[in-house]
Amino acid sequence: DAMVIQNPRYQVTQFGKPVTLSCSQTLNHNVMYWYQQKSSQAPKLLFHYYDKDFNNEADTPDNFQSRRPNTSFCFLDIRSPGLGDAAMYLCATKPRRSTGGLGETQYFGPGTRLLVL
Amino acid sequence: QKEVEQDPGPLSVPEGAIVSLNCTYSNSAFQYFMWYRQYSRKGPELLMYTYSSGNKEDGRFTAQVDKSSKYISLFIRDSQPSDSATYLCAMSAGAGGTSYGKLTFGQGTILTVHP
Repeated sequence: DAMVIQNPRYQVTQFGKPVTLSCSQTLNHNVMYWYQQKSSQAPKLLFHYYDKDFNNEADTPDNFQSRRPNTSFCFLDIRSPGLGDAAMYLCATKPRRSTGGLGETQYFGPGTRLLVL
Repeated sequence: QKEVEQDPGPLSVPEGAIVSLNCTYSNSAFQYFMWYRQYSRKGPELLMYTYSSGNKEDGRFTAQVDKSSKYISLFIRDSQPSDSATYLCAMSAGAGGTSYGKLTFGQGTILTVHP
C-alpha cells in the first residue's frame, strides 16, 4: 500500500544532542510537510518542500532544519534539542494536483514522538 | 485570537449517541475543509473533506460547512466505542502564497464513546 512512513516511532535524546527524524513516502507526492504537535495542541507547521523548493514558516526556530535529498525522503534535523522540543513530529505529503475531489488533503505518517532528557 | 477555534472537550457520550463537533474560523480565504481523526499516539487520518459550503455524507459521518457564518460541523451518528479519538478540524486556502497548501488546524476535540 502507498503510504507515509516515519522512523523512528519513538526517539529519546539528550538535551543539546543533535537528532534526525526521517520520513519516506511511496505516494510520489510533490509536497512534503513537517509539523510539530505538542500534547493536546493543534499540529503546527514547521516547513514544507514543493519538490526541492524549501519554505520555512516565519516562526520556526533556527534550531530546526530540513533536507529533502529526493522525492521520497525528507529529514528533520534538530541541532540542539531543548526540553521544549519534546513533541510528536508529523510528516505529511500532498500531490501538486489532486484527483478524486480531494484537492488539498494531506496524508500523514504515524509520527515520531521525541523525548528530550 | 486563533484563526481556527475548536472546543477541546473532552466529550463523553454513550454508545449509539449522535455526536456533534464544530469549529469556527476567522480567515475568509479558507475554501477547503477537512476533518481528521487521530487515535492516541498515531498520526491524523482523513475522515471527511469538503470544498466550499455545503454538506457531505459518508456512512455515519456528515460534514457541514457554512462559509457565511465561518462555521463547520461534523456529525457522527450511532457512535461506537471505536470512534473514541481526537477529532481535528483543518482548513486550507489552497495552493499559492508562501505556504503551499498549508493546513491550519483546530486544537482537536477529545471524544470518548462508552459502551
